[in-house]
Amino acid sequence: TQLLEQSPQFLSIQEGENLTVYCNSSSVFSSLQWYRQEPGEGPVLLVTVVTGGEVKKLKRLTFQFGDARKDSSLHITAAQPGDTGLYLCAGAGGTSYGKLTFGQGTILTVHP
Amino acid sequence: NAGVMQNPRHLVRRRGQEARLRCSPMKGHSHVYWYRQLPEEGLKFMVYLQKENIIDESGMPKERFSAEFPKEGPSILRIQQVVRGDSAAYFCASSPPTGGLDTEAFFGQGTRLTVV
Repeated sequence: TQLLEQSPQFLSIQEGENLTVYCNSSSVFSSLQWYRQEPGEGPVLLVTVVTGGEVKKLKRLTFQFGDARKDSSLHITAAQPGDTGLYLCAGAGGTSYGKLTFGQGTILTVHP
Repeated sequence: NAGVMQNPRHLVRRRGQEARLRCSPMKGHSHVYWYRQLPEEGLKFMVYLQKENIIDESGMPKERFSAEFPKEGPSILRIQQVVRGDSAAYFCASSPPTGGLDTEAFFGQGTRLTVV
């Protein structure tokens, strides 16, 4: 059974601060995806990382996939209140790309 | 291009009734996945379907739950004789039929089932 440990579970910071969310596993994943979920809505895909060591940037968000494809991180620079939400990492194994193993999620609150 | 459509958005059922949740995948997508999100928990995989085929149902409870994706029409997740523990948000995701390692799954807005 593949497991993804996501940390921290809760993060409360002030506007302008930087933060990092971690996603770790003992299993190797074919790819890893990061989602953001608003209350009452479905997860919205932010990025997919596929290659070990890959780094992708999306405005103030930087995503990294570990060299061994077992872990990933999400770094947000100069957080804004609009970044508040639930962030989820999810790993895909084998060829069933939509069969994802999700982390527990990180609830981020950015205070003005 | 419409996204993944789920209905109803909210469903209330009494204990013992049947719940039927529908999912229409994105245009051109033939793979459908169902996930369940219990309160205070992450999303858990339930079942993976292609048209007229169940590919992987390793996450489905052994009893009362079934899923189908017919040749025509939406995918259906059916829960018979619902119990309070079935109360959760049920999400459907879809992906295209072929692709590489970066093939992505897109989620619907979910159906929130409440059993009273």
